[in-house]
Amino acid sequence: EAGVAQSPRYKIIEKRQSVAFWCNPISGHATLYWYQQILGQGPKLLIQFQNNGVVDDSQLPKDRFSAERLKGVDSTLKIQPAKLEDSAVYLCASSLEPVSGNTIYFGEGSWLTVV
Amino acid sequence: GDSVTQMEGPVTLSEEAFLTINCTYTATGYPSLFWYVQYPGEGLQLLLKATKADDKGSNKGFEATYRKETTSFHLEKGSVQVSDSAVYFCALSDPGGYSTLTFGKGTMLLVSP
Repeated sequence: EAGVAQSPRYKIIEKRQSVAFWCNPISGHATLYWYQQILGQGPKLLIQFQNNGVVDDSQLPKDRFSAERLKGVDSTLKIQPAKLEDSAVYLCASSLEPVSGNTIYFGEGSWLTVV
Repeated sequence: GDSVTQMEGPVTLSEEAFLTINCTYTATGYPSLFWYVQYPGEGLQLLLKATKADDKGSNKGFEATYRKETTSFHLEKGSVQVSDSAVYFCALSDPGGYSTLTFGKGTMLLVSP
Protein backbone atom coordinates (compact mmCIF):
# COMPACT_ATOMS: atom_id res chain seq x y z
CA GLU A 1 0.00 0.00 0.00
CA ALA A 2 1.40 3.38 -1.00
CA GLY A 3 1.98 5.81 1.84
CA VAL A 4 1.36 9.53 2.10
CA ALA A 5 3.26 11.30 -0.66
CA GLN A 6 4.62 14.82 -0.31
CA SER A 7 6.58 17.18 -2.53
CA PRO A 8 8.90 18.91 -2.69
CA ARG A 9 11.08 17.30 -0.02
CA TYR A 10 13.26 20.35 0.41
CA LYS A 11 12.78 24.02 -0.38
CA ILE A 12 14.87 27.10 0.34
CA ILE A 13 13.28 30.50 -0.26
CA GLU A 14 13.91 34.10 0.71
CA LYS A 15 11.62 35.86 3.16
CA ARG A 16 8.56 37.45 1.58
CA GLN A 17 8.58 34.88 -1.23
CA SER A 18 5.84 32.27 -1.63
CA VAL A 19 5.97 28.48 -1.52
CA ALA A 20 3.51 25.65 -2.06
CA PHE A 21 3.57 22.09 -0.80
CA TRP A 22 1.60 19.20 -2.25
CA CYS A 23 0.24 16.11 -0.55
CA ASN A 24 -1.41 12.94 -1.81
CA PRO A 25 -2.92 10.90 1.06
CA ILE A 26 -3.33 7.15 1.30
CA SER A 27 -6.06 5.97 -1.06
CA GLY A 28 -9.45 5.94 0.61
CA HIS A 29 -8.48 8.12 3.55
CA ALA A 30 -11.12 10.76 4.11
CA THR A 31 -9.23 12.79 6.69
CA LEU A 32 -6.14 14.83 5.80
CA TYR A 33 -3.96 16.87 8.13
CA TRP A 34 -1.17 19.40 7.76
CA TYR A 35 1.21 19.72 10.69
CA GLN A 36 4.09 22.13 11.24
CA GLN A 37 7.17 20.81 13.05
CA ILE A 38 9.71 23.39 14.15
CA LEU A 39 13.17 22.05 14.98
CA GLY A 40 13.27 20.61 18.48
CA GLN A 41 9.50 20.65 18.96
CA GLY A 42 6.63 18.28 18.43
CA PRO A 43 4.36 18.66 15.41
CA LYS A 44 1.55 21.20 15.68
CA LEU A 45 -1.69 20.89 13.74
CA LEU A 46 -2.26 23.61 11.16
CA ILE A 47 -5.40 22.37 9.43
CA GLN A 48 -7.58 19.27 9.20
CA PHE A 49 -9.85 18.32 6.30
CA GLN A 50 -12.67 15.82 6.25
CA ASN A 51 -13.11 14.97 2.56
CA ASN A 52 -12.90 18.44 0.97
CA GLY A 53 -14.26 20.40 3.94
CA VAL A 54 -12.24 22.09 6.69
CA VAL A 55 -13.03 20.82 10.21
CA ASP A 56 -10.26 22.60 12.15
CA ASP A 57 -8.06 25.47 11.06
CA SER A 58 -7.89 27.26 14.40
CA GLN A 59 -4.08 27.27 14.46
CA LEU A 60 -3.52 28.22 10.82
CA PRO A 61 -2.03 31.74 10.44
CA LYS A 62 -4.61 32.77 7.88
CA ASP A 63 -2.93 36.05 6.99
CA ARG A 64 -0.16 34.10 5.25
CA PHE A 65 -1.09 30.42 5.13
CA SER A 66 -3.78 28.83 2.99
CA ALA A 67 -4.70 25.26 2.20
CA GLU A 68 -7.17 23.51 -0.03
CA ARG A 69 -8.24 19.99 -0.77
CA LEU A 70 -10.07 19.97 -4.05
CA LYS A 71 -12.12 16.87 -4.88
CA GLY A 72 -11.37 15.46 -1.43
CA VAL A 73 -8.07 13.83 -2.42
CA ASP A 74 -4.87 15.83 -2.98
CA SER A 75 -4.10 18.91 -0.95
CA THR A 76 -1.85 21.93 -1.25
CA LEU A 77 -0.53 24.16 1.51
CA LYS A 78 0.66 27.64 0.52
CA ILE A 79 2.65 30.23 2.40
CA GLN A 80 2.69 33.80 1.11
CA PRO A 81 4.63 35.83 2.10
CA ALA A 82 7.04 33.62 4.03
CA LYS A 83 8.71 34.74 7.25
CA LEU A 84 11.91 33.48 8.83
CA GLU A 85 9.90 31.79 11.59
CA ASP A 86 8.13 29.63 8.99
CA SER A 87 11.30 27.54 8.65
CA ALA A 88 10.07 24.09 9.65
CA VAL A 89 9.09 20.68 8.37
CA TYR A 90 5.56 20.55 6.98
CA LEU A 91 4.07 17.14 7.54
CA CYS A 92 1.03 15.87 5.72
CA ALA A 93 -0.90 13.01 7.28
CA SER A 94 -4.05 11.04 6.62
CA SER A 95 -6.44 8.65 8.33
CA LEU A 96 -9.55 6.70 7.35
CA GLU A 97 -11.79 8.89 9.49
CA PRO A 98 -11.43 11.18 12.51
CA VAL A 99 -12.09 8.59 15.20
CA SER A 100 -9.98 8.61 18.34
CA GLY A 101 -7.68 5.62 18.25
CA ASN A 102 -7.49 5.46 14.46
CA THR A 103 -3.92 5.47 13.24
CA ILE A 104 -2.78 8.66 11.54
CA TYR A 105 -0.16 8.03 8.84
CA PHE A 106 2.47 10.65 8.07
CA GLY A 107 4.42 11.49 4.96
CA GLU A 108 8.16 12.13 4.97
CA GLY A 109 7.65 15.87 5.21
CA SER A 110 8.58 18.96 3.23
CA TRP A 111 11.56 20.76 4.76
CA LEU A 112 11.33 24.54 4.37
CA THR A 113 14.17 26.96 5.04
CA VAL A 114 13.42 30.67 4.83
CA VAL A 115 16.51 32.89 4.55
CA GLY B 1 -6.50 22.08 26.94
CA ASP B 2 -4.84 18.79 26.14
CA SER B 3 -1.11 18.48 26.67
CA VAL B 4 1.66 15.89 26.69
CA THR B 5 4.86 16.10 28.71
CA GLN B 6 7.89 13.99 27.90
CA MET B 7 11.22 13.67 29.61
CA GLU B 8 13.98 15.89 28.28
CA GLY B 9 16.60 14.39 26.05
CA PRO B 10 18.90 13.33 24.75
CA VAL B 11 18.86 9.93 26.36
CA THR B 12 22.23 8.28 25.78
CA LEU B 13 22.53 4.52 26.23
CA SER B 14 24.86 1.71 25.35
CA GLU B 15 23.63 -1.11 23.15
CA GLU B 16 21.58 -3.74 25.06
CA ALA B 17 20.73 -1.31 27.88
CA PHE B 18 17.18 -0.94 29.23
CA LEU B 19 15.20 2.05 27.97
CA THR B 20 12.48 4.08 29.66
CA ILE B 21 11.10 7.32 28.23
CA ASN B 22 8.53 8.93 30.50
CA CYS B 23 5.32 10.44 29.17
CA THR B 24 2.44 12.00 31.10
CA TYR B 25 -0.65 13.68 29.74
CA THR B 26 -3.49 16.03 30.56
CA ALA B 27 -6.79 15.59 28.75
CA THR B 28 -10.51 15.85 29.18
CA GLY B 29 -12.20 12.50 28.83
CA TYR B 30 -10.34 9.33 27.97
CA PRO B 31 -7.87 9.84 25.13
CA SER B 32 -6.11 7.32 22.96
CA LEU B 33 -2.35 7.33 23.44
CA PHE B 34 0.41 6.86 20.89
CA TRP B 35 4.15 6.65 20.51
CA TYR B 36 5.58 7.79 17.19
CA VAL B 37 9.23 7.49 16.12
CA GLN B 38 11.12 9.78 13.76
CA TYR B 39 14.38 8.55 12.26
CA PRO B 40 16.84 11.16 10.94
CA GLY B 41 15.54 12.85 7.81
CA GLU B 42 12.28 10.92 7.81
CA GLY B 43 8.65 11.48 8.73
CA LEU B 44 6.82 10.12 11.74
CA GLN B 45 6.02 6.44 12.01
CA LEU B 46 3.55 4.94 14.44
CA LEU B 47 5.40 2.73 16.93
CA LEU B 48 2.52 1.62 19.14
CA LYS B 49 -0.78 2.76 20.58
CA ALA B 50 -3.33 2.06 23.32
CA THR B 51 -6.94 3.13 23.23
CA LYS B 52 -8.19 2.42 26.77
CA ALA B 53 -6.97 2.20 30.33
CA ASP B 54 -4.69 -0.75 31.17
CA ASP B 55 -4.15 -1.55 27.49
CA LYS B 56 -0.56 -2.37 26.58
CA GLY B 57 0.74 -1.39 23.17
CA SER B 58 3.75 -3.24 21.82
CA ASN B 59 5.84 -3.34 18.66
CA LYS B 60 9.46 -4.19 17.74
CA GLY B 61 10.31 -4.94 21.38
CA PHE B 62 8.91 -1.63 22.63
CA GLU B 63 6.03 -1.56 25.12
CA ALA B 64 3.88 1.06 26.83
CA THR B 65 0.93 0.64 29.21
CA TYR B 66 -1.96 3.12 29.45
CA ARG B 67 -2.14 4.09 33.15
CA LYS B 68 -5.22 6.20 33.82
CA GLU B 69 -4.55 6.56 37.54
CA THR B 70 -1.16 8.19 36.91
CA THR B 71 -2.07 9.67 33.48
CA SER B 72 1.05 8.10 32.04
CA PHE B 73 2.17 6.12 28.99
CA HIS B 74 5.86 5.40 29.53
CA LEU B 75 7.82 3.76 26.70
CA GLU B 76 10.10 0.83 27.56
CA LYS B 77 12.41 -1.57 25.76
CA GLY B 78 14.45 -4.27 27.40
CA SER B 79 17.50 -4.14 25.15
CA VAL B 80 18.10 -1.23 22.78
CA GLN B 81 20.04 -1.41 19.53
CA VAL B 82 22.03 1.21 17.65
CA SER B 83 19.26 1.22 15.04
CA ASP B 84 16.79 2.47 17.69
CA SER B 85 18.53 5.86 17.69
CA ALA B 86 15.78 8.32 16.77
CA VAL B 87 13.41 10.89 18.23
CA TYR B 88 10.39 9.48 20.05
CA PHE B 89 7.13 11.41 20.36
CA CYS B 90 4.32 10.68 22.77
CA ALA B 91 0.91 11.86 21.58
CA LEU B 92 -2.75 11.74 22.50
CA SER B 93 -6.00 11.86 20.58
CA ASP B 94 -8.95 13.25 22.48
CA PRO B 95 -12.28 11.62 21.53
CA GLY B 96 -14.14 14.81 22.37
CA GLY B 97 -12.74 16.82 19.47
CA TYR B 98 -11.84 15.97 15.92
CA SER B 99 -9.43 13.28 17.10
CA THR B 100 -6.34 15.17 16.04
CA LEU B 101 -3.01 14.35 17.66
CA THR B 102 -1.46 16.51 20.37
CA PHE B 103 2.27 15.79 20.62
CA GLY B 104 4.92 16.12 23.27
CA LYS B 105 8.19 17.84 22.40
CA GLY B 106 9.97 14.59 21.63
CA THR B 107 12.85 12.75 23.26
CA MET B 108 16.02 12.00 21.32
CA LEU B 109 17.55 8.57 21.95
CA LEU B 110 21.18 7.94 21.09
CA VAL B 111 22.46 4.36 21.33
CA SER B 112 26.17 3.68 21.06
CA PRO B 113 27.77 0.31 20.21
